[in-house]
Amino acid sequence: KNQVEQSPQSLIILEGKNCTLQCNYTVSPFSNLRWYKQDTGRGPVSLTIMTFSENTKSNGRYTATLDADTKQSSLHITASQLSDSASYICVVCDDKIIFGKGTRLHILP
Amino acid sequence: NAGVTQTPKFQVLKTGQSMTLQCAQDMNHNSMYWYRQDPGMGLRLIYYSASEGTTDKGEVPNGYNVSRLNKREFSLRLESAAPSQTSVYFCASSELRGNTDTQYFGPGTRLTVL
Repeated sequence: KNQVEQSPQSLIILEGKNCTLQCNYTVSPFSNLRWYKQDTGRGPVSLTIMTFSENTKSNGRYTATLDADTKQSSLHITASQLSDSASYICVVCDDKIIFGKGTRLHILP
Repeated sequence: NAGVTQTPKFQVLKTGQSMTLQCAQDMNHNSMYWYRQDPGMGLRLIYYSASEGTTDKGEVPNGYNVSRLNKREFSLRLESAAPSQTSVYFCASSELRGNTDTQYFGPGTRLTVL
């Protein structure tokens, strides 16, 4: 069973709209939870890192939240832009680094 | 700063051939990593190096060897390539700051084994 599950698998929204991506994990305890953005044909780029004691972290139009009680994290993207089209990967770290499969986001003009 | 660089960008091998994937970072990071990314799966750790002179196995080390040549460079070698090693390979580096470390990834090497 995957220890980091992301939903939805893919998402299509119109430019300018908001969206929220979900990450459920079973890894416990953990030291930090990360969200990465991966453009097609490129390596992942870090968006946010939250320790287990933090419940929100922002990076521009990206806001990540963490609920350690329910073992859920979400990434909220505000006022989406065409350049937000990418895969978004949730990563949970304890003594290992465990990657989710990602959510593929398509922004339509 | 170039960050993390990888060569080659693309490679096609025949089964049984060998090759070395090169990775270099110019951020003076101690830790370096090799991952593979396959369709429908998350990145999986092949090998990592916590510091110059040390290497450790990750989740999927079979069929690979690594060398931490110096602090900048970390190479991944396939001694006898197999079709199952067709994948995109990413190198990353990181440095611990406080109690977290941010990983910086290279652009990837797309390997096809026929």
